[in-house]
Amino acid sequence: GQQVMQIPQYQHVQEGEDFTTYCNSSTTLSNIQWYKQRPGGHPVFLIQLVKSGEVKKQKRLTFQFGEAKKNSSLHITATQTTDVGTYFCAANSGGYQKVTFGIGTKLQVIP
Amino acid sequence: DTGVSQDPRHKITKRGQNVTFRCDPISEHNRLYWYRQTLGQGPEFLTYFQNEAQLEKSRLLSDRFSAERPKGSFSTLEIQRTEQGDSAMYLCASSRGTGSSNYGYTFGSGTRLTVV
Repeated sequence: GQQVMQIPQYQHVQEGEDFTTYCNSSTTLSNIQWYKQRPGGHPVFLIQLVKSGEVKKQKRLTFQFGEAKKNSSLHITATQTTDVGTYFCAANSGGYQKVTFGIGTKLQVIP
Repeated sequence: DTGVSQDPRHKITKRGQNVTFRCDPISEHNRLYWYRQTLGQGPEFLTYFQNEAQLEKSRLLSDRFSAERPKGSFSTLEIQRTEQGDSAMYLCASSRGTGSSNYGYTFGSGTRLTVV
């Protein structure tokens, strides 16, 4: 079945440093979604990317979809303690309505 | 509308017992999903409804698991003859969508199942 690989699994950064997580697939994706899950919480939808090469920004967060629609990245500029949590990419392909989640990148921000 | 509601929040059951969870999605959303999440893992797909029709069920899902969405509103997930390996957070999500189009999911707070 379809899988999305996410790296790194863990990242510790000093507050103010930048952070990037990557999502890769061996198959072409229809779209990719990003979610954030705070410790003890549930996944919260951040954004969906659909077009090849698409770049979207939400304040300090920049999301990118690769030209071949096989990879994506989430970049956070100048991390804050409120950014702590696990970031998941989730994707679907082949016309399926469900999304498959990656393993997530757990971000710790050291004040 | 206050989002996706799940009940109960926590359930402790003895091995071999049956359990049932309920999910009330956002009323405007026609799609409803059940996922399972264990510690350190991403949510794992279980099953999906569009309106009242169950359109997909994970091949990894045992026959002990069954889900319904009567009248296309709330949904229930039942696990029969629970096993310790069923211990996990069971997440319900809803979204809108037509055809092959997809939109972001709104997740509920989940039901944490512990099988002892």
